Amino acid sequence: QTVVTQEPSLTVSPGGTVTLTCTANTGAVSSNYYPSWFQQKPGQAPRALIYGATNKHSWTPARFSGSLLGGKAALTLSGVQPEDEAVYYCLLFFDGAQLWLFGGGTKLTVL
Amino acid sequence: QVQLVVSGGGVVQPGRSLRLSCAGSGFTFSGYAMHWVRQAPGKGLEWVAVISSDGNHKYYANSVKGRFAISRDNSKSTLYLQMNSLRAEDTAVYYCVRVGDTRHFDYWGQGALVTASS
Repeated sequence: QTVVTQEPSLTVSPGGTVTLTCTANTGAVSSNYYPSWFQQKPGQAPRALIYGATNKHSWTPARFSGSLLGGKAALTLSGVQPEDEAVYYCLLFFDGAQLWLFGGGTKLTVL
Repeated sequence: QVQLVVSGGGVVQPGRSLRLSCAGSGFTFSGYAMHWVRQAPGKGLEWVAVISSDGNHKYYANSVKGRFAISRDNSKSTLYLQMNSLRAEDTAVYYCVRVGDTRHFDYWGQGALVTASS
């Protein structure tokens, strides 16, 4: 069974930098998995932030960036703001099975 | 502006059926693939199904294969999810999501709660 894994929770201070990661038990995550990242605040629908590992949507704040790091997909927040407190989900595409899988989500606390 | 409005949620007994609709506006609906994604109460996101822009290609998560059917009516700019043989574990908020010009998920609907309970 294919599983996508994220850190369950992270804490960062306002103005700080934090990196969230996303791994697959099938092996190293590459651009072939088309990693995407989403932000979800309580009571709201998710919002797309990053697609294709590194690309930002037109509405994505500049402090968010995506990368591939040591076989993982990564989301880095630089200069964290209080409003960045949310749950962040990664999404990977498994081409052979025509399957999309979300990670379990990382709850980011800004404290 | 792009809008996706989900309707049709509600409470249904296990084993029964329900159909969700997702009405798109502010874009040329027929030009975009669409997904359904769900979220059980207090849990994470789960991909459910995808349909191509012309409706000819459909793929499903193993958890719903054989019970759920995704479809679309481009003349009505509407996406559907027919849910049959509902189980308690299908209880979730269901979101429709557009695949944008980037060929990735972009806009999300507001979601509709489906509760399978006796």
